[in-house]
Amino acid sequence: EDQVTQSPEALRLQEGESSSLNCSYTVSGLRGLFWYRQDPGKGPEFLFTLYSAGEEKEKERLKATLTKKESFLHITAPKPEDSATYLCAVQALENTDKLIFGTGTRLQVFP
Amino acid sequence: GAVVSQHPSWVICKSGTSVKIECRSLDFQATTMFWYRQFPKQSLMLMATSNEGSKATYEQGVEKDKFLINHASLTLSTLTVTSAHPEDSSFYICSVAHPGKLFFGSGTQLSVL
Repeated sequence: EDQVTQSPEALRLQEGESSSLNCSYTVSGLRGLFWYRQDPGKGPEFLFTLYSAGEEKEKERLKATLTKKESFLHITAPKPEDSATYLCAVQALENTDKLIFGTGTRLQVFP
Repeated sequence: GAVVSQHPSWVICKSGTSVKIECRSLDFQATTMFWYRQFPKQSLMLMATSNEGSKATYEQGVEKDKFLINHASLTLSTLTVTSAHPEDSSFYICSVAHPGKLFFGSGTQLSVL
């Protein structure tokens, strides 16, 4: 069964304190791995799609990496506005467009 | 990215009434839309896949007669929660399938009294 596990569940950081969020996955065949940001009471906002092991993508203070078993979302020198829940999802080869989500990591960045 | 408009943002209704939620793809013709449900501090759970011009495909455990989905055009899908009960209270989110990614609406918070 396809599955996504994210850790930690919650993370509190001081402004400027870099860290990483983990997404471990099991899928029969990976079509793509997705990272989303979700603010309270809002829909997820697309961040990245990764397709193959070794791939990396960056956007401002965020950098996503992918291996055959997991993905990391690295946050460099975070700011309070980076506070949100970060969701990881996988798309299997046989399930066109369907995403399986992890439970997310709730990030709080304090000034 | 694709712009997805979802309406209403929140709705409060009495138990036993029906509620309709609209999801519009504003700048992209979407043959496929998805409806998700999210409980507090939990992940998004796929409820159904909405296909333009055909019947929706429901995930296991989702009642077809309770959650009616209509995808009558390439820009509009609707989810109707029929005879809503307090246990149906949740955050409902639609998404539009765009090549290589999904874009999400802003969500609808349903509270059933």
